Amino acid sequence: EVQLLESGGGLVQPGGSLRLSCEASGFSFRSYAMSWVRQAPGKGLEWVSDISGSGAITYYADSVKGRFTISRDNSKNTLNLQINSLRAEDTAVYYCAKLVRGDITMSFWGQGTLVTVSS
Amino acid sequence: DIQMTQSPSSLSASIGDTVTITCRASQGISNYLAWFQQKPGKAPKSLIYAAFSLQSGVPSRFSGSASGTDFTLTISNLQPEDFATYYCQQYDSYPLTFGGGTKVAIK
Repeated sequence: EVQLLESGGGLVQPGGSLRLSCEASGFSFRSYAMSWVRQAPGKGLEWVSDISGSGAITYYADSVKGRFTISRDNSKNTLNLQINSLRAEDTAVYYCAKLVRGDITMSFWGQGTLVTVSS
Repeated sequence: DIQMTQSPSSLSASIGDTVTITCRASQGISNYLAWFQQKPGKAPKSLIYAAFSLQSGVPSRFSGSASGTDFTLTISNLQPEDFATYYCQQYDSYPLTFGGGTKVAIK
């Protein structure tokens, strides 16, 4: 059974940093690209970042480029998102997602972790 | 960036109805179109990818179709568990973009 378990969310002041993690199980983690998608309170879905199975290739939304860094540790089946210089508009539930093999759309989502940026 | 325009933004329907949701891409995306379902307070669930292909375990009452840059999600024989918000997503090119969502409510 595929499972994705996010952690690391919380309350942080503007300008602060957080590191989100997503622990994967139930599939060959290194064989799949992964994604982070966020959802601000009461709003729609916003794609944040993708990473290839090897970790060599990454993509970012313009809204987070230069502030967020996606990475993965295939030895630990873990996906990470380092988020720096946080702004109020980064407040959202952050979901990690497994991508369809050979494609760049999501096939399975974690339950999400809430990041709140507020002073 | 490719814009995804989803309509309607909300609708109400009864159990057993057939519901149609449309998504229009601002440019050609081939069939790189996915549909997701989200219930309040829950993570999204993947329903369809490549415009037509059902994800594993998704009931056959869900179907997708395409015509040029217009894509449709059809839910036949609407069931109580289908009341949710639905999103389309294009994955033809980065940045990946979602439609604004369609909330399907009980009439």
